[in-house]
Amino acid sequence: DAGVTQSPTHLIKTRGQQVTLRCSPKSGHDTVSWYQQALGQGPQFIFQYYEEEERQRGNFPDRFSGHQFPNYSSELNVNALLLGDSALYLCASSFRRSGGYTDTQYFGPGTRLTVL
Amino acid sequence: GESVGLHLPTLSVQEGDNSIINCAYSNSASDYFIWYKQESGKGPQFIIDIRSNMDKRQGQRVTVLLNKTVKHLSLQIAATQPGDSAVYFCAENRRSGGGADGLTFGKGTHLIIQP
Repeated sequence: DAGVTQSPTHLIKTRGQQVTLRCSPKSGHDTVSWYQQALGQGPQFIFQYYEEEERQRGNFPDRFSGHQFPNYSSELNVNALLLGDSALYLCASSFRRSGGYTDTQYFGPGTRLTVL
Repeated sequence: GESVGLHLPTLSVQEGDNSIINCAYSNSASDYFIWYKQESGKGPQFIIDIRSNMDKRQGQRVTVLLNKTVKHLSLQIAATQPGDSAVYFCAENRRSGGGADGLTFGKGTHLIIQP
């Protein structure tokens, strides 16, 4: 049973560019959440997708957007990259029960983004 | 600022001893708490969770205690092993009834195991 997978593992971009990160959830999971983890800090919630719609959003600008596909996989897009966007981007998947209650989130290995 | 935080950035223990990692939270509406372990270069790994209607929950070698009166959470690891060396994060869900939606993480405690 595959866990959460993310691609690519590492990525180097320059300021102003755009980037797309990808995530495949754990088998049986239908909800995907994205987090940003700066060096030495805890992960910060970006947004969560369920049924192909953004359901919750943290305190991140509109430059951060996402998408969820019918097979529950997800993409995170970041436009107009800034140096401060350099971080580990984590994807977490979970199963949303009826009534909207979401079970434990399981994390992928992350994508290390470096902005030069 | 962070409402979920840890009292010590680094905790050093002897192999075989018990470890206790503490966490404070400030949101009374939070009803779901999780401990994650993160090794260098990897994503956070789920250890144990607890809902606000419980005070204690046990897993394999780990126990989580929740004190809602003082808004305090702790993770106890029994008979610490070298493989327990990692950064430990507590996380909370501030949206009551939402389970694990939109978790808020603390900054983490680095657990170091001395031989």
